[in-house]
Amino acid sequence: AQTVTQSQPEMSVQEAETVTLSCTYDTSESDYYLFWYKQPPSRQMILVIRQEAYKQQNATENRFSVNFQKAAKSFSLKISDSQLGDAAMYFCAYRSARGRDDKIIFGKGTRLHILP
Amino acid sequence: KAGVTQTPRYLIKTRGQQVTLSCSPISGHRSVSWYQQTPGQGLQFLFEYFSETQRNKGNFPGRFSGRQFSNSRSEMNVSTLELGDSALYLCASSVLPNQPQHFGDGTRLSIL
Repeated sequence: AQTVTQSQPEMSVQEAETVTLSCTYDTSESDYYLFWYKQPPSRQMILVIRQEAYKQQNATENRFSVNFQKAAKSFSLKISDSQLGDAAMYFCAYRSARGRDDKIIFGKGTRLHILP
Repeated sequence: KAGVTQTPRYLIKTRGQQVTLSCSPISGHRSVSWYQQTPGQGLQFLFEYFSETQRNKGNFPGRFSGRQFSNSRSEMNVSTLELGDSALYLCASSVLPNQPQHFGDGTRLSIL
């Protein structure tokens, strides 16, 4: 069974600094999707970034970028120029790209604090 | 464009009762998924519906059920409520399965 592990329950970063959130996963499949979701105190989950496993190029969305290491099964999120609005719970997630058993599996999350 | 709408936002029930939660997806989205979020277990997948058919199911007891209507709106039902069912229930919709999901604000269910 696939698993997603986020080893950092909480992290803090100074405003305007860069922070990296870690995520590792375990799967025997070669074709899948990886995601980072953000959940602010307002509760709504927001998709931050999405990576297809077959793409070697790391996905980027403005200040958010990933470091996708397929062989190491690692998918970290880098937030550059951190802003107060980035404070939230961040979830790493995995979804198979094959078959019908493609439910999303989430990690336990990392709570990110932004220090002014 | 309106986002995913979940009703109600808050609900308080007692043990043994049943509850129905509603989710209206974004217009044009045909896939709806449900998740349970608790501090202890995190986010867990409940089930996914597409074109009125349950496409995928998580590891939850039969007390948890759902359905999807022809307009893609979905309902989730939990019968014989237990204290452990207290959670935030999130609904997400996408155009098709495997497409990026958009989440609603969730329904906070408290069991007394």
